[in-house]
Formats: sequence, C-alpha cells, structure tokens
Amino acid sequence: AQSVAQPEDQVNVAEGNPLTVKCTYSVSGNPYLFWYVQYPNRGLQFLLKYITGDNLVKGSYGFEAEFNKSQTSFHLKKPSALVSDSALYFCAVRDGAGGTSYGKLTFGQGTILTVHP
Amino acid sequence: NAGVTQTPKFQVLKTGQSMTLQCAQDMNHNSMYWYRQDPGMGLRLIYYSASEGTTDKGEVPNGYNVSRLNKREFSLRLESAAPSQTSVYFCASSEGITTQYFGPGTRLLVL
Repeated sequence: AQSVAQPEDQVNVAEGNPLTVKCTYSVSGNPYLFWYVQYPNRGLQFLLKYITGDNLVKGSYGFEAEFNKSQTSFHLKKPSALVSDSALYFCAVRDGAGGTSYGKLTFGQGTILTVHP
Repeated sequence: NAGVTQTPKFQVLKTGQSMTLQCAQDMNHNSMYWYRQDPGMGLRLIYYSASEGTTDKGEVPNGYNVSRLNKREFSLRLESAAPSQTSVYFCASSEGITTQYFGPGTRLLVL
C-alpha cells in the first residue's frame, strides 16, 4: 500500500523568507511524486513532479522540491515567499510498480501555507 | 481548450435523493478519476477509469456508481444521497500514469 504524510497542518512564513512544506511517503516500488496547490474554492493545480532523474525538481511559480530516497521525503521549497503563495498544498504519490494501482494517486492531508506581509 | 469541466458547481440534496455529477475533458486523456475532498483528509479516490470502457473502485466507492460514457466523459452517480456524502467532488484526467489535471469541483450538501 502507498501512503503520504504531511506532518504540518499549517506553515507560516514572512514574505521574502524561504519556505518549506514537508512531505514523506511510503511505496513498495519506485515513487512517482507530485505537488499540487489549491486556492480557495478552486480545483487543484499541478506544481511539479518527480518521476526519475535529478533529485531537485523545478516547477511552476518558482517552487522546487527535493527528492530524498534515503529519507523517503519530497519537501516543497521556495527561496523567497510571496503573499500570493498562501494556499493549501498537497503532496501525492503513486507507486511506480503499477499493476492494479494504475494511475491511482494517494494524497496527503494537505498543508495550509500562510505568507505574512 | 477548457481542460476538465464539471457540472454542477453546487448542489443541495435531501437525504435519499439521487443525482449525477458530470465531468468532461478535452485533452484526449485515456484515464479519468473521481475524488472527494473532506477537511483534514486530503483527497480520496472514489472510482477511476483507466481507459474508455473500464472502471474500477478506488478507496471509498460505497454509495457511488460511475459511467465512462465515452473517452471525454465520466459521470458519478449518487443513487440515494446520505449526509455523509456532503463533500467537494473533483474529477481529474491523465494520460496514463502522468500528471493528473483537475476540474474546478462540485460542492455537494446533503441535508
């Protein structure tokens, strides 16, 4: 079974400071990892993904994430936060082993990011 | 290119009523999904369709049925709504195992 944990329900940072939103995962095979962002009353928007290759993945709006296989983590980062980054962030994982779990993503419970002016 | 569209945006039902949530995508994706989002629980998969003509249960299928009408459309039906089905429902599509793209959601309130 695959699972995702986002250990922080909320993250608060000041505008201009770096931000990190944490994610750890568990899969039996190689992980496919995703970050999505959700603004109020909107659907989920794709930010970035890790499938294979370079452990540092760059995505939309200046976000990046680092895949760490030994720590089974995929933390989302941004060097300088903006007030407009305030939203709900979801980490998701798919087991690369495939089979009957074809295409199925497992989501974390979400982390509310608040960036203060 | 509208991406993934969902109707209705908002619905109020009484316990025992039925309704169908509609989803359509114009990205020519083979795979489509239905999720529900509840506070503090992330998104949970209800049903998915890996390709036209196939559907499979996800994590929380009880009380729901789905129909993959054609490659573009994937509907979710509540035969007898219950208050526990009050939620926000999202449809998504993908080309195989790659990125899933989500619709704007349907807010459902069951009284």
